[in-house]
Amino acid sequence: GQSLEQPSEVTAVEGAIVQINCTYQTSGFYGLSWYQQHDGGAPTFLSYNALDGLEETGRFSSFLSRSDSYGYLLLQELQMKDSASYFCAVNRDDKIIFGKGTRLHILP
Amino acid sequence: EAEVAQSPRYKITEKSQAVAFWCDPISGHATLYWYRQILGQGPELLVQFQDESVVDDSQLPKDRFSAERLKGVDSTLKIQPAELGDSAMYLCASSFGIQGLMDEQFFGPGTRLTVL
Repeated sequence: GQSLEQPSEVTAVEGAIVQINCTYQTSGFYGLSWYQQHDGGAPTFLSYNALDGLEETGRFSSFLSRSDSYGYLLLQELQMKDSASYFCAVNRDDKIIFGKGTRLHILP
Repeated sequence: EAEVAQSPRYKITEKSQAVAFWCDPISGHATLYWYRQILGQGPELLVQFQDESVVDDSQLPKDRFSAERLKGVDSTLKIQPAELGDSAMYLCASSFGIQGLMDEQFFGPGTRLTVL
C-alpha cells in the first residue's frame, strides 16, 4: 500500500501561513525529509527530522511526531516564489520513499 | 557552487532503441542515486550506489535497465530496449553518505526522456 500520504494540492494567499501534512507507515521508520520542486526544476532539500519536535529554518519549519506517524511542513510569510510542489520522504526499511507531492498554489 | 551534472538534458528515442544517461555527482559524495519521476508523481528510487557498489536496486527493472559506477565517481544508467512507459524525467542525486539514507540529497537537473 501507499507508504506516504500528503494532500495533492493546497492553496494559500501571499503573506499567509500554510501547513502541508504528511502521514506515513511506521515500520522501519528512521526520519522524515522535505523537498521543494519548482516546475521544470530538480528537487531541493528543505529539512530533515529524525526526532520529535519542530525544526526551523528561516520562513520554513518542519515538525515530526513519531508516535502519530505524522509530520508537517510549515511555510510562513508566503511569497509567490514559494509556488511549487513539496514532497515528504521517509527512510523506511532502509529504502527512501518519496510521497506523491503537494502542489502549493499561492494567490496574490 | 558544486552541482550534480547530468547529460543529456533531453532525449527523444523510438521504442526498442537503447538510451544512456550520464551523471557526475558533487566531488566527494560517496552516495549516488538514480530516480525516475513521472509527471505529477514523486521521485521513485531506481538504484543507489555507495562508492562503486550497488546498495539498493530493488526497484530497477533489470530486464531492460542497467546502471554502473565503475570508479565510484560518475555513473551511467542505460535502458535497452526502451518502451513507451519509460517516458519520464530521470534524476540523479548525490550525498555525502554520512547519515545514510536521510542525508541531504543534491539533485541534478535531470534528463527528460520521451519514447515514441
